[in-house]
Amino acid sequence: EAGVVQSPRYKIIEKKQPVAFWCNPISGHNTLYWYRQNLGQGPELLIRYENEEAVDDSQLPKDRFSAERLKGVDSTLKIQPAELGDSAVYLCASSPGTGAINIQYFGAGTRLSVL
Amino acid sequence: GQQLNQSPQSMFIQEGEDVSMNCTSSSIFNTWLWYKQDPGEGPVLLIALYKAGELTSNGRLTAQFGITRKDSFLNISASIPSDVGIYFCAGQLYSGAGSYQLTFGKGTKLSVIP
Repeated sequence: EAGVVQSPRYKIIEKKQPVAFWCNPISGHNTLYWYRQNLGQGPELLIRYENEEAVDDSQLPKDRFSAERLKGVDSTLKIQPAELGDSAVYLCASSPGTGAINIQYFGAGTRLSVL
Repeated sequence: GQQLNQSPQSMFIQEGEDVSMNCTSSSIFNTWLWYKQDPGEGPVLLIALYKAGELTSNGRLTAQFGITRKDSFLNISASIPSDVGIYFCAGQLYSGAGSYQLTFGKGTKLSVIP
């Protein structure tokens, strides 16, 4: 069974440019998460989806970040415009989303460098 | 918000040695998880702990969920070169109605000297 798939793996852009990341979760997983991981840190949640609904976006910088999960499967995360401080690894994770035992499985991430 | 203190931050060990790392929190969690992250990859789940006091093994890995629900440790026995990577603890809080919060520590970077 395929795991969480993310693309692109790497992205280099100049500041003020837009950028988008794509995530395909594990089949059947209702819950999808976007995390940002800065160098030397653990992942930090940006947004969580239950099916197509964003149920926790309190940590998403909404002035420049947006996300969508149309049809409750794939998701995209967009930054417009990008700033130097946005350089990080953006991780997508998915989980079954039911019950008290709800393990998250991560994709390989997209490493963003903003110049 | 919740914070996890993970230690040590990094460690260098000789191949064959045992390793121990731990995580503490000021808040309780329903679940403790240990992930390993290799360079250029996402975190991969190693062990999940669901009950206070639970001791679980996965091959050479052993982890325990602290009785107070505020701490956990991970041991690796007889380390090998492929154990190199960054190990993250994560505490998960189930707050009902399908709402889960996962908080990560800052990681322990393990280097194994052959």
